[in-house]
Amino acid sequence: SQQGEEDPQALSIQEGENATMNCSYKTSINNLQWYRQNSGRGLVHLILIRSNEREKHSGRLRVTLDTSKKSSSLLITASRAADTASYFCATDRTSGSRLTFGEGTQLTVNP
Amino acid sequence: KAGVTQTPRYLIKTRGQQVTLSCSPISGHRSVSWYQQTPGQGLQFLFEYFSETQRNKGNFPGRFSGRQFSNSRSEMNVSTLELGDSALYLCASSLAKGPRNYGYTFGSGTRLTVV
Repeated sequence: SQQGEEDPQALSIQEGENATMNCSYKTSINNLQWYRQNSGRGLVHLILIRSNEREKHSGRLRVTLDTSKKSSSLLITASRAADTASYFCATDRTSGSRLTFGEGTQLTVNP
Repeated sequence: KAGVTQTPRYLIKTRGQQVTLSCSPISGHRSVSWYQQTPGQGLQFLFEYFSETQRNKGNFPGRFSGRQFSNSRSEMNVSTLELGDSALYLCASSLAKGPRNYGYTFGSGTRLTVV
């Protein structure tokens, strides 16, 4: 079973716009990670935010974490057609040493 | 440095057969985890190995097994294949135990189709 949910399930935007994806989870975590997956390929690690952090930036990516609400968001600014992919949040729970993935958001950036 | 290598990339097997998938982690990484990805269930954890020891196992039947060798390479085996085993099998390596500090580096996966 999935640890949490992602929203929206699908998002379609124009190049240059910002894309925001949200993730909710259920249990205490050590950290939360975001991954990108291009169609049928492996997952690429984007960013990791620890439970004691509230916000983190990496290039055009901004991740926030609210442990009181058990939620996170991923913002991609100035999106490009190459950002078209599925994006997954994954939680590293305090009770285990595995990642538990959300259902993913399919992002389509139209040129 | 080379990434995580999974072989083969594609595989077609018949129901009832068995299959072995291989994963070579990034050099120096001692932790290898396996995930199954299907459209219906999403990404599901199979098992994790660290220094040749299985540290964690997901909720899969005993037909799914794995091992890790002294060079950190890992194999997973599925016996008595069922149609529902058709999936993308992903291997991930990490420097330390679990994804705690660094996240995972994933391979490109093995696409298994059971007919």
